[in-house]
Amino acid sequence: AQSVAQPEDQVNVAEGNPLTVKCTYSVSGNPYLFWYVQYPNRGLQFLLKYITGDNLVKGSYGFEAEFNKSQTSFHLKKPSALVSDSALYFCAVTLNSGNTPLVFGKGTRLSVIA
Amino acid sequence: GAGVSQSPRYKVAKRGRDVALRCDSISGHVTLYWYRQTLGQGSEVLTYSQSDAQRDKSGRPSGRFSAERPERSVSTLKIQRTEQGDSAVYLCASSPISGGPNEQFFGPGTRLTVL
Repeated sequence: AQSVAQPEDQVNVAEGNPLTVKCTYSVSGNPYLFWYVQYPNRGLQFLLKYITGDNLVKGSYGFEAEFNKSQTSFHLKKPSALVSDSALYFCAVTLNSGNTPLVFGKGTRLSVIA
Repeated sequence: GAGVSQSPRYKVAKRGRDVALRCDSISGHVTLYWYRQTLGQGSEVLTYSQSDAQRDKSGRPSGRFSAERPERSVSTLKIQRTEQGDSAVYLCASSPISGGPNEQFFGPGTRLTVL
């Protein structure tokens, strides 16, 4: 069975500092990994995905994530946080190459403080 | 173009009643998904369909959840005999047909409260 863990419920960062939101996964094959962001009263918005190739994936709004197979991690990063980055962040995984449902982590609330 | 929309945005139902939630996906998208999002639990898939096969994978927690797809870009999630534990945000998502796995485009959700 596939699963995703986001070990931190809450991450607080000062504006301008680098941020990291952690994600680890457990699958029985090669994973396809995603990050989504959710603002209040909005649906989930796609940030980036890892399918294959370069382990460092760049996405929307200056975010990037690094796939680490040995550590089964896919941490989300940004070099310089903005107050507007404050939101809920979800990591997700699927094993299948077609259109199949994602398995989500429980989410991490990011607060960027001015 | 228009994104994924859901209606109603808020729904209050008495325990034991049936409810129907609507999703209008992006034109041309093939696969429609329904997820349930609860605070601190993330999102879990309830059912999904791929238009060609009209496959409906009714899932957790039981057969009380089902989806109909009267049109390619419209889906209705039906919850029978609602329970208080069904109170959650129900998210609809769709994805295109091109080689995957594709990103899923989500609607704003319907917040269901079962009294």
